[in-house]
Amino acid sequence: KQEVTQIPAALSVPEGENLVLNCSFTDSAIYNLQWFRQDPGKGLTSLLLIQSSQREQTSGRLNASLDKSSGRSTLYIAASQPGDSATYLCAVHNTGKLIFGQGTTLQVKP
Amino acid sequence: EAGVVQSPRYKIIEKKQPVAFWCNPISGHNTLYWYRQNLGQGPELLIRYENEEAVDDSQLPKDRFSAERLKGVDSTLKIQPAELGDSAVYLCASSSEAGEMVGQFFGPGTRLTVL
Repeated sequence: KQEVTQIPAALSVPEGENLVLNCSFTDSAIYNLQWFRQDPGKGLTSLLLIQSSQREQTSGRLNASLDKSSGRSTLYIAASQPGDSATYLCAVHNTGKLIFGQGTTLQVKP
Repeated sequence: EAGVVQSPRYKIIEKKQPVAFWCNPISGHNTLYWYRQNLGQGPELLIRYENEEAVDDSQLPKDRFSAERLKGVDSTLKIQPAELGDSAVYLCASSSEAGEMVGQFFGPGTRLTVL
């Protein structure tokens, strides 16, 4: 059974700092891995999707990496801003459905 | 292009009452998903539709939950009767035939509170 874990559960950093969010999964047989952002009381916004054959994807200040063999993904946020404060969820696409981690809640202080 | 639409956004009911949620996916998306998200947790799949066929409902509590996707477009998720433990956010998502390549797109969710 696929299990997805995100560490840490919460993170607080000062504005401008670079940071890394971690995601691990137990079964490397995945189609892709997707990172989402969720603001309080809102739905999920897709940030990046990495195919199983890819090693990383970049969008603006965000960079996501994937290492299937070790069952790990990281989301790197450069030069963090208060507007980045949200919960970040990773999900692996496995047999037609997404399996989510429990999320990392990020607070960026001005 | 309009995103995934869900209604209502919020619902408060007393236990044992029925409740229904509605979802309209992105136009042209043949796959529709219902997820449930408990507080502080990631979403968990309840049911997945390919067009009008439910292809994965293994996590749907069938004694009280039901879903339908008539005509393969919009969908309704129903709970009858609701229990206190059903309080959660119910998220709808959709994807195209290229879903594995472009991922799933989520609606804003319906926050259900059962008193």
